[in-house]
Amino acid sequence: ETGVTQSPTHLIKTRGQQVTLRCSSQSGHNTVSWYQQALGQGPQFIFQYYREEENGRGNFPPRFSGLQFPNYSSELNVNALELDDSALYLCASSLVSHSYNSPLHFGNGTRLTVT
Amino acid sequence: SQKIEQNSEALNIQEGKTATLTCNYTNYSPAYLQWYRQDPGRGPVFLLLIRENEKEKRKERLKVTFDTTLKQSLFHITASQPADSATYLCALDMSNTDKLIFGTGTRLQVFP
Repeated sequence: ETGVTQSPTHLIKTRGQQVTLRCSSQSGHNTVSWYQQALGQGPQFIFQYYREEENGRGNFPPRFSGLQFPNYSSELNVNALELDDSALYLCASSLVSHSYNSPLHFGNGTRLTVT
Repeated sequence: SQKIEQNSEALNIQEGKTATLTCNYTNYSPAYLQWYRQDPGRGPVFLLLIRENEKEKRKERLKVTFDTTLKQSLFHITASQPADSATYLCALDMSNTDKLIFGTGTRLQVFP
């Protein structure tokens, strides 16, 4: 069973630039959620994708966008980067969207630094 | 809005003792609650899930309780070991959906 993998592991960008982060879901999972984790904080929900459609969004501006592909891999795109976007970005997959009992399987994240 | 509180101060205990971590929530009645472990530089790892109609759940040395009246969950690690040192996060479902909101986590340090 292949776990959740994220790339790249680390990234440094300049304010105003755009970034794309990638995630491969665990085999058999059809739902992907993205979280932002600032230093010393818990993960904050950005959005979720289920069967290639956005299925819920947290309190993040539209410059945070995403995609889910037919193979259930996913991308997180952030435009017009700001210094406060510096964080660990976590991707998590789960089996179904409508089940309340599915634990999340996280990747090890992409550490984004905006200078 | 939903609010989850975990003790932000680190919990330091001696090996062999029982560690007890607290998760309090307000303004909400979650359908379930989950606990995760996070090591530095790694993603969270799922440990246990407890539903609103369950009072207690156990898994090996781990025990979780869920008191919907007090709006509180307690997470216990018995016979703690240095390898249990990590940050522990509690998470609640968002308004009866499968989307989770997380607390800030409590760092546990078990010393020999």
